[in-house]
Amino acid sequence: GNSVTQMEGPVTLSEEAFLTINCTYTATGYPSLFWYVQYPGEGLQLLLKATKADDKGSNKGFEATYRKETTSFHLEKGSVQVSDSAVYFCALGSNTGNQFYFGTGTSLTVIP
Amino acid sequence: DGGITQSPKYLFRKEGQNVTLSCEQNLNHDAMYWYRQDPGQGLRLIYYSQIVNDFQKGDIAEGYSVSREKKESFPLTVTSAQKNPTAFYLCASSTFENSPLHFGNGTRLTVT
Repeated sequence: GNSVTQMEGPVTLSEEAFLTINCTYTATGYPSLFWYVQYPGEGLQLLLKATKADDKGSNKGFEATYRKETTSFHLEKGSVQVSDSAVYFCALGSNTGNQFYFGTGTSLTVIP
Repeated sequence: DGGITQSPKYLFRKEGQNVTLSCEQNLNHDAMYWYRQDPGQGLRLIYYSQIVNDFQKGDIAEGYSVSREKKESFPLTVTSAQKNPTAFYLCASSTFENSPLHFGNGTRLTVT
């Protein structure tokens, strides 16, 4: 079946530190992979996506590469800012039946 | 601007009362979804609908009901049969397979 396993938090970093949030998946077929961000009291916003193996999604300094060989889609950012403090969700979109599977979310706090 | 509107943002009800959460989208998306989010947990799928007048149960459908009479609207009713209804409810929509989900800003329901 399909599932997503995401690094547990919370994660606390100093401003300008390097960020990695690990995400691995199991899937049948050829899913799309997504990272979403959620700010307090709001819905989820799409941060980046990748639709096939070796694709790199990037947005706002964040990036993640779809690695089929390791079934991973780790989120990285070279220099985090206080404004990056949020909860990050890794998600898989099945290519059959328009189903989505989410990780449990990783809370990130960036301190000045 | 196109988007998903959930209303109200906060909702309070007494135990034993049914309550309906509104979700409207003007993105012309075929598929719509309802998720429940509890503190520190990921998203759990309640119901989803791929087309008008059709919907399927998700992982935690017990105690909930939906309708899809119009493409734009997918209201969720939380019935008195739902044992623990206090949660943050998120509505989402998507277009073709493997396209990302678009989320509303959520409704926080508190039942006392």
